Amino acid sequence: DAMVIQNPRYQVTQFGKPVTLSCSQTLNHNVMYWYQQKSSQAPKLLFHYYDKDFNNEADTPDNFQSRRPNTSFCFLDIRSPGLGDAAMYLCATQGDPQGVRTGAFFGQGTRLTVV
Amino acid sequence: TQLLEQSPQFLSIQEGENLTVYCNSSSVFSSLQWYRQEPGEGPVLLVTVVTGGEVKKLKRLTFQFGDARKDSSLHITAAQPGDTGLYLCAGGNHGGSQGNLIFGKGTKLSVKP
Repeated sequence: DAMVIQNPRYQVTQFGKPVTLSCSQTLNHNVMYWYQQKSSQAPKLLFHYYDKDFNNEADTPDNFQSRRPNTSFCFLDIRSPGLGDAAMYLCATQGDPQGVRTGAFFGQGTRLTVV
Repeated sequence: TQLLEQSPQFLSIQEGENLTVYCNSSSVFSSLQWYRQEPGEGPVLLVTVVTGGEVKKLKRLTFQFGDARKDSSLHITAAQPGDTGLYLCAGGNHGGSQGNLIFGKGTKLSVKP
């Protein structure tokens, strides 16, 4: 059974039209990450949550926002998508028992197309 | 900014050959992880190493964490076409809310029958 679920798998949005990607987990992990991955590149960390504490990477554009209303759900909001934001967006979770991080579990990703 | 350098970037070999992929950094990490990713899918965790000098084996895959916890290697023995994929190393930092997980650029492996 899938433990990290991303919806939708494929999303087409118009240039400049706000879009929200969602991620849910059944692992009860403290940490949730959002990564952007472009073709033939490594995943690039956008931001992450440790419980409700939000950590933004320094080079993440303001156009990208995130919400984590509870442990299980996390959302990525792209306020005004540009053509350069077309990519695979990956959500991942990580446990932190006694301060020792486990391996990360990834969802299947959402492939975003901007037209 | 912590960086992870992976080499080689691309590797094309014949079935049955051995190979080693390297992951290096100038920074110390609390843990290093290896993932395998297939096209259109999310990365899948292969192993986590946390102790300097640690060696872990997963069937034909052998993972090693450097003594100084700055580098790691992945060795595959007798590669098979099913090993084809993108191999990613990732460095983790502990420390509550400040910890994160960053990735190297990946090694794209192609194993030909």
